[in-house]
Amino acid sequence: GENVEQHPSTLSVQEGDSAVIKCTYSDSASNYFPWYKQELGKRPQLIIDIRSNVGEKKDQRIAVTLNKTAKHFSLHITETQPEDSAVYFCAAIAYSSASKIIFGSGTRLSIRP
Amino acid sequence: ETGVTQTPRHLVMGMTNKKSLKCEQHLGHNAMYWYKQSAKKPLELMFVYSLEERVENNSVPSRFSPECPNSSHLFLHLHTLQPEDSALYLCASSQTGTSGISYNEQFFGPGTRLTVL
Repeated sequence: GENVEQHPSTLSVQEGDSAVIKCTYSDSASNYFPWYKQELGKRPQLIIDIRSNVGEKKDQRIAVTLNKTAKHFSLHITETQPEDSAVYFCAAIAYSSASKIIFGSGTRLSIRP
Repeated sequence: ETGVTQTPRHLVMGMTNKKSLKCEQHLGHNAMYWYKQSAKKPLELMFVYSLEERVENNSVPSRFSPECPNSSHLFLHLHTLQPEDSALYLCASSQTGTSGISYNEQFFGPGTRLTVL
C-alpha cells in the first residue's frame, strides 16, 4: 500500500543550529504536503505546508522543499530554539480524495541548550 | 468554543463496557476524521466522512463503530475493546474536494486519552 517514510525518528541539535527532517512518499496522486508539530500532551498543529506546484516555501525560521520527481520533501528549521522541541509529522495528501491521507511516523526533535 | 472539540478528554473503561467518543467541529468543514495515535507509531487514519465519500478502513476492528449524523458531529462508538486499543484518539476536520477549491489542511481536536483495563 501507499506509505510515507520519515527520517530520522529522533534528532538532537544544539540550540542555534539547524535541523532537517526528510520524508519520502509513494502515492503519485499526492499533491499537498503539510508538516505538523505536536508538543507533549497537545494536539498536532500545522506549521507549514507546500503544494505540488511549488518547489520551496519559507516562513521565518521554517522552510519546506519539495522534489516531486523524486517524491520527497523536507522540513528545515534554522536557528533552533528550545520551544522547537516537539514531535514533527509530515503527511502526503491527495486533494481529490478525503481518504488519501498518509502520515509519516514522526520525528522527535530535542534542542540542547 | 471554536475549532475542533472532543469529549471526553480522558476515558478509562473495562473490556466489557460500551462508550462513545464525541467530536464537534465549528469550522464549516465538509470532512471529518478519526485517527488513532499510539506510542511509536504513525498517526493511523481510522475513518473518514466527507461530502464526497465515506471511507471505512478495513483494518480497523469492528469493535470501533463510527457515526456521522451531520457534517459538524462525529462519534466513535466503542464496545468490547482490548487493552491494546489504549491510545490517544484524535478527531480532525478539513475542507476537501468541492467547488474547484481543494485543500486538505487537517485541524485536530485535543484528543481523547483512552485506557482500556
